[in-house]
Amino acid sequence: EPEVTQTPSHQVTQMGQEVILRCVPISNHLYFYWYRQILGQKVEFLVSFYNNEISEKSEIFDDQFSVERPDGSNFTLKIRSTKLEDSAMYFCASTPMVEIGNTIYFGEGSWLTVV
Amino acid sequence: QKEVEQDPGPLSVPEGAIVSLNCTYSNSAFQYFMWYRQYSRKGPELLMYTYSSGNKEDGRFTAQVDKSSKYISLFIRDSQPSDSATYLCAMSKLLGNEKLTFGTGTRLTIIP
Repeated sequence: EPEVTQTPSHQVTQMGQEVILRCVPISNHLYFYWYRQILGQKVEFLVSFYNNEISEKSEIFDDQFSVERPDGSNFTLKIRSTKLEDSAMYFCASTPMVEIGNTIYFGEGSWLTVV
Repeated sequence: QKEVEQDPGPLSVPEGAIVSLNCTYSNSAFQYFMWYRQYSRKGPELLMYTYSSGNKEDGRFTAQVDKSSKYISLFIRDSQPSDSATYLCAMSKLLGNEKLTFGTGTRLTIIP
């Protein structure tokens, strides 16, 4: 079964530091997403990405966040200057195309702790 | 009012029982409804996907959508200990899964 892989599984960083979370989506997928889940809270949409550009982003995804697909396989989320409230599980997801019934496949997540 | 509301539980039922999980939503623009299962410290895994009102069955799982009441349900028949997980409802307004809005999740434990 193909899967979305994420690294690191857990990262601890100091407030104000830059963090890059990496994802390798499933190889034939075209649409990529980042979601986050603060401990004890619901999964929240951050951003969707298609054809090398952001297609939609939430109000959470402010100027501190950026996404990139640098080499055709990796999909990264960068947080420029981390805050305590950025501590969360970050999920990468992908889907082959946007149509009825298509499954979004989620990775196992990267747990970010900002201290 | 939250866009999607889900009772967080926890919910404990004996093995073999029928489980009923529910979500309500406030925005009538939601057209696509999903149920995800999430094991501890893992990513969500899609269980069921329904479009508009109606029922959909897949093995032991049945998903129901009532758009007039803005209410969706997931039924699990013959529940097994391996069904113990957090169940998340999710919905989207646009075709496909462009942006999912999740409920908070219901933590379910099946007691052997």
